[in-house]
Amino acid sequence: GAGVSQSPSNKVTEKGKDVELRCDPISGHTALYWYRQSLGQGLEFLIYFQGNSAPDKSGLPSDRFSAERTGGSVSTLTIQRTQQEDSAVYLCASSLKYGETQYFGPGTRLLVL
Amino acid sequence: GQQLNQSPQSMFIQEGEDVSMNCTSSSIFNTWLWYKQDPGEGPVLLIALYKAGELTSNGRLTAQFGITRKDSFLNISASIPSDVGIYFCAGLYDYKLSFGAGTTVTVRA
Repeated sequence: GAGVSQSPSNKVTEKGKDVELRCDPISGHTALYWYRQSLGQGLEFLIYFQGNSAPDKSGLPSDRFSAERTGGSVSTLTIQRTQQEDSAVYLCASSLKYGETQYFGPGTRLLVL
Repeated sequence: GQQLNQSPQSMFIQEGEDVSMNCTSSSIFNTWLWYKQDPGEGPVLLIALYKAGELTSNGRLTAQFGITRKDSFLNISASIPSDVGIYFCAGLYDYKLSFGAGTTVTVRA
């Protein structure tokens, strides 16, 4: 596609429910990144994929967070048993290759009630 | 990633004014990036800088990659109303982006 796309654009859920956030990177981009943007915390790195492998998961806040990437393309970020502090904007970015300029999607705004 | 020191935190502009903001870090980066984020949108890349000392322009935007690789500035000349938004600097080392806290640009009434 022309740019990084993410879905849903907004998600409201109840505390304790699981949510799945989807990212479609720019076609041909091998590297994919997830970030979280919350008030007072700025933009935080969550996880990075090279192809379907995630060499660095160090930014995932807890074991309730997981992500996968299939076919070297689409990625899904899953948050289990959501908590109110998970409310944030989840941003996906992709780059042509590892270490190159990252281009962001519009984000998914998650609100946990 | 490491938080960069971005300043100013906010600024008010009048149409036609020039705007400057900068970022510093205690660590070196391979690449400096400047993004703009409008409400409800993701960050949009404005300028990418790849070499220490590099000065790059993109229309009314000019940015420089500091010679020490630890700082960068962004200038916006002759500002227009659509320049309002939040501007983020970001340093790239290896694959990880570190972001500044953002500079919020607002139009002065």
